[in-house]
Amino acid sequence: QSALTQPASVSGSLGQSITISCTGTSSDVGNYNLVSWYQQLPGKAPKLLIYEVTKRPSGVSNRFSGSKSGNTASLTMSGLQAEDEADYYCCSYAGFSTWVFGGGTKLTVL
Amino acid sequence: QVQLQESGPGLVKPSETLSLTCAVSNYSITSGYFWAWIRQHPGKGLEWVGSISHSGRTYYNPSLKSRVTISLETSKNQFSLRLSSVTAADTAVFFCVRVFPDNYMDVWGKGTTVTVSS
Repeated sequence: QSALTQPASVSGSLGQSITISCTGTSSDVGNYNLVSWYQQLPGKAPKLLIYEVTKRPSGVSNRFSGSKSGNTASLTMSGLQAEDEADYYCCSYAGFSTWVFGGGTKLTVL
Repeated sequence: QVQLQESGPGLVKPSETLSLTCAVSNYSITSGYFWAWIRQHPGKGLEWVGSISHSGRTYYNPSLKSRVTISLETSKNQFSLRLSSVTAADTAVFFCVRVFPDNYMDVWGKGTTVTVSS
């Protein structure tokens, strides 16, 4: 069970859009439409942003969207705001009630 | 709303057993979700430690399986984590989490820091 691969860092300017990728294998990301994304602000617990690849929980801004192609899932953030600066983690169901996380991506808003 | 709160010793000696508890408020742990422990090493990413179903079936990260035990304490509406034979590599923030079965993690505790040191 290896961690999913995310870029260590991404950056974008206020108002711009960015995309964070999350690459797994045919045993996890590629096999299930059960990828979720979490936002972790400094010193805080992670917060669910996206589940089942594309769905947003109630209360999450529609500036956040998710997609998947093959073994790679992506999180897109549009209209970047200063408060979006955080760490972002993908997570995939990996079968038999097990989960695997990505290594996390630090977003810097310029 | 549903709330989770971790508790336990913040310092554990090497080779001993780490024990944490997660108290769940406003939701019965036997009502249908899974419950999990996630850990985060200092400055690092998240790692799924293991989960337990509402009926008590357990699932563990293969890399930790020989040392981990997760259990339900239904009378107290809480669940617990035991990690044996700890080393400094087990120093981490531990989060307890509610899990929609085989899907996403929707409610997180604030996390508790555990340091392994003599």
